[in-house]
Amino acid sequence: QQQVKQSPQSLIVQKGGISIINCAYENTAFDYFPWYQQFPGKGPALLIAIRPDVSEKKEGRFTISFNKSAKQFSLHIMDSQPGDSATYFCAASFNYGGSQGNLIFGKGTKLSVKP
Amino acid sequence: EAGVAQSPRYKIIEKRQSVAFWCNPISGHATLYWYQQILGQGPKLLIQFQNNGVVDDSQLPKDRFSAERLKGVDSTLKIQPAKLEDSAVYLCASSLGLFGELFFGEGSRLTVL
Repeated sequence: QQQVKQSPQSLIVQKGGISIINCAYENTAFDYFPWYQQFPGKGPALLIAIRPDVSEKKEGRFTISFNKSAKQFSLHIMDSQPGDSATYFCAASFNYGGSQGNLIFGKGTKLSVKP
Repeated sequence: EAGVAQSPRYKIIEKRQSVAFWCNPISGHATLYWYQQILGQGPKLLIQFQNNGVVDDSQLPKDRFSAERLKGVDSTLKIQPAKLEDSAVYLCASSLGLFGELFFGEGSRLTVL
């Protein structure tokens, strides 16, 4: 119930291509779905986030698609660049005790963008 | 704006020894979190503070882990005694409030031998 399942575990994409990472969840009480980007030796940084009242959110080259009925959400990176090479984590949380800070993270996807 | 500061960056100890990690959040951030990130996994919340009060410590192994945020600013996470499975990166994060964006520090990498 508390898990967030992320796939694929690793992804290799050519420069200029589209990177797609998928996540699935079970707990319908989740109401906040962020994606984090983590470079080696650094902490995760928020990339983009969505709430279940919208089906898509776009910020620059990054888009979240959200399917509430399927309990799935995905990250699309358009025109992927070598600088996008990092580990990406999806996460979810709900208004537990009046806070959304208890993020449940997926296991991560290591993205490599080849020049 | 200075980010979340953590120290030490690296620590190697023997099992059954103790270790402490320190975190200084972004100035003005009332909410502070400690997450544990085991190699190859996503971070897992250990404890969340709002000012100097605990909001959530349900996943903190209280028999060996303790954390405090006495003056509502800096925080310390202690492990005593350490086990091999405690080898991980300990990430501190802060946010303006309970629903604010989390900003993570670079983490403290613990190796227990």
